[in-house]
Amino acid sequence: RKEVEQDPGPFNVPEGATVAFNCTYSNSASQSFFWYRQDCRKEPKLLMSVYSSGNEDGRFTAQLNRASQYISLLIRDSKLSDSATYLCVVGDSNYQLIWGAGTKLIIKP
Amino acid sequence: DVKVTQSSRYLVKRTGEKVFLECVQDMDHENMFWYRQDPGLGLRLIYFSYDVKMKEKGDIPEGYSVSREKKERFSLILESASTNQTSMYLCASIAFGNQPQHFGDGTRLSIL
Repeated sequence: RKEVEQDPGPFNVPEGATVAFNCTYSNSASQSFFWYRQDCRKEPKLLMSVYSSGNEDGRFTAQLNRASQYISLLIRDSKLSDSATYLCVVGDSNYQLIWGAGTKLIIKP
Repeated sequence: DVKVTQSSRYLVKRTGEKVFLECVQDMDHENMFWYRQDPGLGLRLIYFSYDVKMKEKGDIPEGYSVSREKKERFSLILESASTNQTSMYLCASIAFGNQPQHFGDGTRLSIL
């Protein structure tokens, strides 16, 4: 079993819709959680950190469920520019970050 | 704003060559990382360094070595390049702890 798993997609979603995807992790001692966005042939860029209480940044909402060991990302009112691959990252206390393989999102006009 | 600079965006080398990939960060970060990214596999950690002259193996160190002579610079070395090392290489840095990583633009390396 992979340590961090994501549905690779692609998720094809019409513009304006709400889309959500999850990321599961296997290490219950994980301490830090992030969502990154990666455009084609570009480097990953931090989208948002994920806090225990959940957090929101504009149209983006991230949640952490420690009991079920997953984090989620919700995108409301999706834009064409949201098309990208979304990478989930889980870290432990020793600077070890485990990356998911990413979920590809395609927003259609 | 953190700036992580990788020396080349695209690089083409031949099998058996010794290849150097350079990474420089300007924020006095303690920790630096080298990853490779292949389709469907996500980022895989090759080596990381938490201080000058210190290095730790990541998940896939075979065929690679690293050098950290100065705090701002972390070099990845392919001792004898092979075709299975064709990949996207990403350098990242963080100040400390479980902070989010800042990435360079990446180097697309092709080994022919």
